[in-house]
Amino acid sequence: GQQVMQIPQYQHVQEGEDFTTYCNSSTTLSNIQWYKQRPGGHPVFLIQLVKSGEVKKQKRLTFQFGEAKKNSSLHITATQTTDVGTYFCAGPRYSGAGSYQLTFGKGTKLSVIP
Amino acid sequence: KAGVTQTPRYLIKTRGQQVTLSCSPISGHRSVSWYQQTPGQGLQFLFEYFSETQRNKGNFPGRFSGRQFSNSRSEMNVSTLELGDSALYLCASSLAYGLSGLASYEQYFGPGTRLTVT
Repeated sequence: GQQVMQIPQYQHVQEGEDFTTYCNSSTTLSNIQWYKQRPGGHPVFLIQLVKSGEVKKQKRLTFQFGEAKKNSSLHITATQTTDVGTYFCAGPRYSGAGSYQLTFGKGTKLSVIP
Repeated sequence: KAGVTQTPRYLIKTRGQQVTLSCSPISGHRSVSWYQQTPGQGLQFLFEYFSETQRNKGNFPGRFSGRQFSNSRSEMNVSTLELGDSALYLCASSLAYGLSGLASYEQYFGPGTRLTVT
């Protein structure tokens, strides 16, 4: 079945450095969503990408959806301690009878060293 | 608008017991999904309910079950608890299920119920 793979699993960066996490799917995705989970918290929706080659920005965060709609990336410029957390990508997997379920990657845990 | 609420927040149970977790979605949201989160397996989909009907089911044994009420509130039950069931159980609500065109409905997660099985 469809899998969503995320790399790296962990990333430690110095405050001010950039950070990128990558998400790859074995099949073409109709869309991809990104979530952030702070330590001790719950996942919070960040953004959804739908179009091939789409790029969206949210302040220091840049999200890309690949041309083939099989991969995506999240890039954070000049990380801050507030960026600490685990970033998940999620794509819909067809489960039959017109239903889709979100399949989450295992996430990239970001640590920022002040 | 109030967020997704889950009760209880923490629970300690013994192997063999059963447990019921509750989730109240955001007002107006009719779809509720349940996920199990563990350090090793990440976020794993359990099931999704919409209009009191189970629309999706993940790959979990039959010990895991759920239901949804007419007010969209949902409960999840785990029977004959095993040590491996220790996890954070997250509930997420969304406006509907499936796709709207090419887009999925964004999930609003609750704070979760931390279940420890001893």
